Amino acid sequence: NAGVTQTPKFQVLKTGQSMTLQCAQDMNHNSMYWYRQDPGMGLRLIYYSASEGTTDKGEVPNGYNVSRLNKREFSLRLESAAPSQTSVYFCASSLRMGVGRGYTFGSGTRLTVV
Amino acid sequence: QQPVQSPQAVILREGEDAVINCSSSKALYSVHWYRQKHGEAPVFLMILLKGGEQKGHEKISASFNEKKQQSSLYLTASQLSYSGTYFCGTEVRMGQNFVFGPGTRLSVLP
Repeated sequence: NAGVTQTPKFQVLKTGQSMTLQCAQDMNHNSMYWYRQDPGMGLRLIYYSASEGTTDKGEVPNGYNVSRLNKREFSLRLESAAPSQTSVYFCASSLRMGVGRGYTFGSGTRLTVV
Repeated sequence: QQPVQSPQAVILREGEDAVINCSSSKALYSVHWYRQKHGEAPVFLMILLKGGEQKGHEKISASFNEKKQQSSLYLTASQLSYSGTYFCGTEVRMGQNFVFGPGTRLSVLP
């Protein structure tokens, strides 16, 4: 089925370790996003890519980097994980920012940093 | 800039109706509504663009009052499957400043 695929689904890291969260969509969407979700905080935007070749910071970018590898793939990297980065991470995509279409979310990555 | 949602939580019996509100201090270009079941990803329900239109999705509909910078989600004759957290997302300008609200937890009991 068409959609957004995230890997891995679960991950435990030690403080200071690094990792990359992978995201791929097969809906020919132009815009892609990374969100984190913490209890009581809703969904907060980390980084987004309005189109292939562009990336921009969202509300909570500190401690993260992203790469828009091609139109389909958008990865999120934690260079030196901290316990404050324990969260559920969602990748999402949309046809194009501001064109009146909704976001499609991946199933999420549950990350624990100990 | 985060929109305000009310109520924070609501408990219903099957068949009852509910209204969830989303309001912003800024003029809005669009409002999105999503539902997230426990342990799952948010799922898009509908989007409303400025113009005061009302949309429907099964027994779930929504309105957008751009003068009041407010949107309301209406759940009619609620079903057990409606349980989850409902998020609104607001956009101030086309393609800009999209932000999610904190969510409203809806529980539908038999």
